[in-house]
Amino acid sequence: DADVTQTPRNRITKTGKRIMLECSQTKGHDRMYWYRQDPGLGLRLIYYSFDVKDINKGEISDGYSVSRQAQAKFSLSLESAIPNQTALYFCATSDLRGADYGYTFGSGTRLTVV
Amino acid sequence: DQQVKQNSPSLSVQEGRISILNCDYTNSMFDYFLWYKKYPAEGPTFLISISSIKDKNEDGRFTVFLNKSAKHLSLHIVPSQPGDSAVYFCAATSRGWGSTLGRLYFGRGTQLTVWP
Repeated sequence: DADVTQTPRNRITKTGKRIMLECSQTKGHDRMYWYRQDPGLGLRLIYYSFDVKDINKGEISDGYSVSRQAQAKFSLSLESAIPNQTALYFCATSDLRGADYGYTFGSGTRLTVV
Repeated sequence: DQQVKQNSPSLSVQEGRISILNCDYTNSMFDYFLWYKKYPAEGPTFLISISSIKDKNEDGRFTVFLNKSAKHLSLHIVPSQPGDSAVYFCAATSRGWGSTLGRLYFGRGTQLTVWP
């Protein structure tokens, strides 16, 4: 099983619908992140959470919300999807306790809003 | 305002030659730098990193150079192989200050194409 699992892998939804993207991890990391990737814009941070009781907005949080249900689970919701939210979404985890400050990414969710 | 910049969206290199990917940063508090590689339909994966106390770190065909005075780092791939074709993201973080401790700031990525 992957260390960071995202579901679904692909999703097509209609404008105005509410949709949830889920992320779970087996790394035991405290920190979790949601990014979106758009061509030419790289990875942009939507929300991040440093522990279960800590939620922070990233660069582009408008139109999104998150829930940290447990240390291992971090979900991203689009309250009312719009076409410009069509993108590739990545969940990531990290841990400051070790010497490695890198992130472990999931495989991504490709979301299309029509 | 982007704190990590990759000004070349794409780079094309012949197999066997050197690939040089560049990255600039603006925040002088950054003290740890990483490179990630991303293939289509996959998440980014960690490639190599460097601490600000060093100016070079090597791992096989991959070498990262850091010039702190210029706030510039580069990734060298020698020799380049077709399997290196991917998007490369530069990232930076601070390990010693504030609420953003450990948070990575990413550049926009450079698409490397290695042709036979």
